[in-house]
Amino acid sequence: DIVMTQSPDSQAVSLGERATFNCKSSQSVFYSSTNKDYLAWYQQKPGQPPKLLIYWASTRESGVPDRFSGSGSGTDFTLTINSLQAEDVAVYYCQQYYSTPFTFGPGTKVDIK
Amino acid sequence: QVQLHESGPGLVRPSQTLSLTCTVSGGSINSVNFYWSWIRQPAGKELEWIGRFHASGSTSYNPSLKSRVTISVDTSKNQFSLKLSSVTAADTAVYYCARDRGISGDVYEESFQHWGQGTLVTVSS
Repeated sequence: DIVMTQSPDSQAVSLGERATFNCKSSQSVFYSSTNKDYLAWYQQKPGQPPKLLIYWASTRESGVPDRFSGSGSGTDFTLTINSLQAEDVAVYYCQQYYSTPFTFGPGTKVDIK
Repeated sequence: QVQLHESGPGLVRPSQTLSLTCTVSGGSINSVNFYWSWIRQPAGKELEWIGRFHASGSTSYNPSLKSRVTISVDTSKNQFSLKLSSVTAADTAVYYCARDRGISGDVYEESFQHWGQGTLVTVSS
């Protein structure tokens, strides 16, 4: 199985400031035949299912504000929230879909400082 | 807009079989463009992919659960189901059904685009 790790475990960020979280996979999730990284980011608020934010490591899902961006390739990835808003308080998970069993990271919890 | 809704008992006795159903609206589970999955999340813990099926008839399970899991389909009701046998307290979790983004060109985009609201299943005597 591909093991996903995330850092930090939690982060407190001031409103309007930038938040950056990291995700690392135990093996590369880049498929050379498609030239894509099979990595997604989700946002989960209490009592709600996860919401897809980013797929192919950097493609924003329709309707997701452009303050959310994803970057990275291979085994190291980053989710950035520019200008954090109060509604961004949540847990953020990365997930690989390079191979089954699909696996998720443990999440990064974001709070307001 | 596709919608998914999980249903089933909220309490299951240890050693019994957990049975859940996902009802899909706004889209057909017969479509070969998508995979349909079950995912669970113990309280305060990370998400665990359980398994999935495709309209071609193929299924895939997490090896950690494979010996106890069955995913089946009822196309007449546009539903798919999860059965997890010999449950223990470790199987207590919120269970979600989900659909991926589907095929784009000739590439399946398998991140989870649509989720049910989830249903809490507690294993306890």
